[in-house]
Amino acid sequence: DTGVSQDPRHKITKRGQNVTFRCDPISEHNRLYWYRQTLGQGPEFLTYFQNEAQLEKSRLLSDRFSAERPKGSFSTLEIQRTEQGDSAMYLCASSFVAGGHYEQYFGPGTRLTVT
Amino acid sequence: GIQVEQSPPDLILQEGANSTLRCNFSDSVNNLQWFHQNPWGQLINLFYIPSGTKQNGRLSATTVATERYSLLYISSSQTTDSGVYFCAVTNRRDDKIIFGKGTRLHILP
Repeated sequence: DTGVSQDPRHKITKRGQNVTFRCDPISEHNRLYWYRQTLGQGPEFLTYFQNEAQLEKSRLLSDRFSAERPKGSFSTLEIQRTEQGDSAMYLCASSFVAGGHYEQYFGPGTRLTVT
Repeated sequence: GIQVEQSPPDLILQEGANSTLRCNFSDSVNNLQWFHQNPWGQLINLFYIPSGTKQNGRLSATTVATERYSLLYISSSQTTDSGVYFCAVTNRRDDKIIFGKGTRLHILP
């Protein structure tokens, strides 16, 4: 099964530390999305890439957050100077966009706990 | 921006019962998906259904785009159907994907 994969699955860090998460999309997919999900809520859109270009960023993505997709394949999401409010599940999804078809497939997520 | 409302927020049913979950959206959409989030947090694709009706085993879904709603039907519920069901839409104005808050389904044995 070559679905979306994310690494690590769990991360515990101390407030003020930097963390980086990786997402590997389904290989032929040209779009890659990042979401954040807190307890009891639906996933919230953070940003997305079309190939290597970052096309949109949510206002939720403060200047402490940065995402890259350098070669249009895997992507990284870095959070600098983590805060307790950053504790959440970070989800990655990918899709192959053609003719208006945007079906997304999600990875298992990275659960971040900031202590 | 577009608003997505799901109802009911919580649903408790006995195994074998049928259920209907609803998703209302406030603007025109060009894509709509239903997901099931299992207890480990994995979002599982159920339906990609911007319009029309689809069926997959005990599950079926209908989207009436002109009236801005979608329904997910689960028949003969099993305990493994428990979890949170999300509706997610893409607005025609941009490619942002918006999720509802979900319906938490508990199937009792």
